[in-house]
Amino acid sequence: KNEVEQSPQNLTAQEGEFITINCSYSVGISALHWLQQHPGGGIVSLFMLSSGKKKHGRLIATINIQEKHSSLHITASHPRDSAVYICAVSDGTRLTFGEGTQLTVNP
Amino acid sequence: DTEVTQTPKHLVMGMTNKKSLKCEQHMGHRAMYWYKQKAKKPPELMFVYSYEKLSINESVPSRFSPECPNSSLLNLHLHALQPEDSALYLCASSQDPQGYEQYFGPGTRLTVT
Repeated sequence: KNEVEQSPQNLTAQEGEFITINCSYSVGISALHWLQQHPGGGIVSLFMLSSGKKKHGRLIATINIQEKHSSLHITASHPRDSAVYICAVSDGTRLTFGEGTQLTVNP
Repeated sequence: DTEVTQTPKHLVMGMTNKKSLKCEQHMGHRAMYWYKQKAKKPPELMFVYSYEKLSINESVPSRFSPECPNSSLLNLHLHALQPEDSALYLCASSQDPQGYEQYFGPGTRLTVT
C-alpha cells in the first residue's frame, strides 16, 4: 500500500463543474502539498498545508489531520485547469508523492 | 524572482557521453533537490543539498554525480548512462531543508540513445 493514495486517478469534467480530488496518507507528516503539473513538465506548488483550509482564487485545499485526509477543490473549472494534480506529504526532510490525478476539463 | 531555471531543456546523449545538467535559483534558498520523473509517474527524489552540502543520496547509481558549487547553483553530471535513465530531470529549491515549500524548475528532458 502506498503511503500517499490519491483518487480518482483520472477525472474528466465539463467546463464550469466543481471538482474534488482526494488524498489520503498513512504516515506522520509535517505538511501536505498540492502540486500541479502541465504537459511538458514544470511543476507548480499550489498549496502547502499543515491544518485547516487554504484558498487561492478558484482553488481550495483542506486537510483533516486526525483522519489523515486532504481534498483539493476547483470551483468553476476551466479547460486551462487540465493538468496532473499531485498530492505530496513532507516529513520535514523529503516529499513522498501520490501517483497523481489526471484532470481533463472539456469546453 | 521566484524562479528556478534549468538548462538545457532537452538533451540527447549516447551511452558513452559525458554531459551536465544545470539548475539555478536566486531566491536565497539553502536547500536544492534533484528529482527524476518517468512518464506518468510521480517524481523520485535523487539528491538533496542542504547549505551546499550533500545531505541525502537516495542510493543513486554513481553514473549520476551531483555538485553544488555555490548556494545558487546545482549541477548534475552524467556519465555512461543507460537508455533506462531517459526521463525528465527536475530541480527544486526551498528556503530551508526542513519542510518548506519547494519551487520546481521546468525540467530537462533527457534521452539516452
